[in-house]
Amino acid sequence: QVQLVESGGGVFQPGRPLRLSCAASGFTLSSYAIHWVRQAPGKGLEWVGVISFDGGDKDYADVLKGRITITRDDAKGTVYLEVNSLRGDDTGVYYCAKPRLEATIRAAFEAWGPGTLVTVSS
Amino acid sequence: SYVLTQPPSVSVAPGQTATITCGGSDIARKNVHWSQQRPGQAPVLVVYDDSDRPSGIPERFSGSNSGNTATLTITRAEAGDEADYYCQVWDRSSDHVVFGGGTKLTVL
Repeated sequence: QVQLVESGGGVFQPGRPLRLSCAASGFTLSSYAIHWVRQAPGKGLEWVGVISFDGGDKDYADVLKGRITITRDDAKGTVYLEVNSLRGDDTGVYYCAKPRLEATIRAAFEAWGPGTLVTVSS
Repeated sequence: SYVLTQPPSVSVAPGQTATITCGGSDIARKNVHWSQQRPGQAPVLVVYDDSDRPSGIPERFSGSNSGNTATLTITRAEAGDEADYYCQVWDRSSDHVVFGGGTKLTVL
């Protein structure tokens, strides 16, 4: 069955970078875009960004643009999210999500990972 | 940027019908998706493309979209339906996903 598992969370100092991984299984990763979504403690869902199925198109949330990069390694079955210059308001649970349709970044998210917690604190 | 507006909270008695709205400018022109998030868990898709249900989602969950408001309706509400519900669209003008602020459904 479709499975997404995020990893790489933990406690990070302000100003440092982080890299999160999203390991995908149970479907052909190379046919699907992958989105990242985050959720600050006690707050709602916030879209972070997306990478297209072929890696040729990437879109990022305006509040994060310039600080984040999403990449993919289909051979390893993994999508990555890098965030630079971490700030306190980057604290939260980070999810990766799979659209329900191939080759589009616009479809609804039919599968989510369990999330990984990132805490930015000195 | 496109904004989706949801009521912060909705209450419903067990067995009754809950209605959760999602307001947005001319939202009827967009495909609206709804996700349920129980405490401490990842979101789960319950309605996509305004009114379609993924397999495994009860028929009690339904959606509609007209004018400036999309609606998620939950009939015969159960205690297990208590969760946060989020509407979501793709904003073509910005090429961004947009989430509503979320609605906490209480079944009491």
